[in-house]
Amino acid sequence: DVKVTQSSRYLVKRTGEKVFLECVQDMDHENMFWYRQDPGLGLRLIYFSYDVKMKEKGDIPEGYSVSREKKERFSLILESASTNQTSMYLCASIWRTGWNTEAFFGQGTRLTVV
Amino acid sequence: GQQLNQSPQSMFIQEGEDVSMNCTSSSIFNTWLWYKQDPGEGPVLLIALYKAGELTSNGRLTAQFGITRKDSFLNISASIPSDVGIYFCAGNTGTASKLTFGTGTRLQVTL
Repeated sequence: DVKVTQSSRYLVKRTGEKVFLECVQDMDHENMFWYRQDPGLGLRLIYFSYDVKMKEKGDIPEGYSVSREKKERFSLILESASTNQTSMYLCASIWRTGWNTEAFFGQGTRLTVV
Repeated sequence: GQQLNQSPQSMFIQEGEDVSMNCTSSSIFNTWLWYKQDPGEGPVLLIALYKAGELTSNGRLTAQFGITRKDSFLNISASIPSDVGIYFCAGNTGTASKLTFGTGTRLQVTL
């Protein structure tokens, strides 16, 4: 079974703090994604990575950065947390072969910024 | 970013009933995926579809890849209380890793 593990289930941080969300996958997948999920807005792509040290902006990258130093680990960084970044954060690891694709999600991190 | 049209938005059904939901897209996809998300949890992959017309089952769940490659359907037979949750579709064109997600169907099952 594919395992995608996010480092925290729940986090409470103060405005202005630097926040690190970690995601680790055990399937040697090249592609990893970070989403945020908000009621009524669905899943929105923040950043993704095709390989170690490679990163691409998604649809809502402002206020975030990422790090992919090792293939199995993809970190999302909130440089200076703000209350509008309170959300559910989901990491996904993507398997691809030919035209076929499957995405496996972590359990999610519920972040509250106060 | 684009979202897929998923319907219905929510369903209230009685235990034992069958459920149908669908997703439509303006784009052609080479992969359709169906997920279930419980409250406070990450989505779990239920079924993956790779060929137009393909019909795939996973227990009481059956999903179909539409012939036009622009839609997909999920059916749940004989619903039970643990089927409660939000069901998402997702599509992929095959040319890149990005997925496009549906808006979700919230399923409530009453006894």
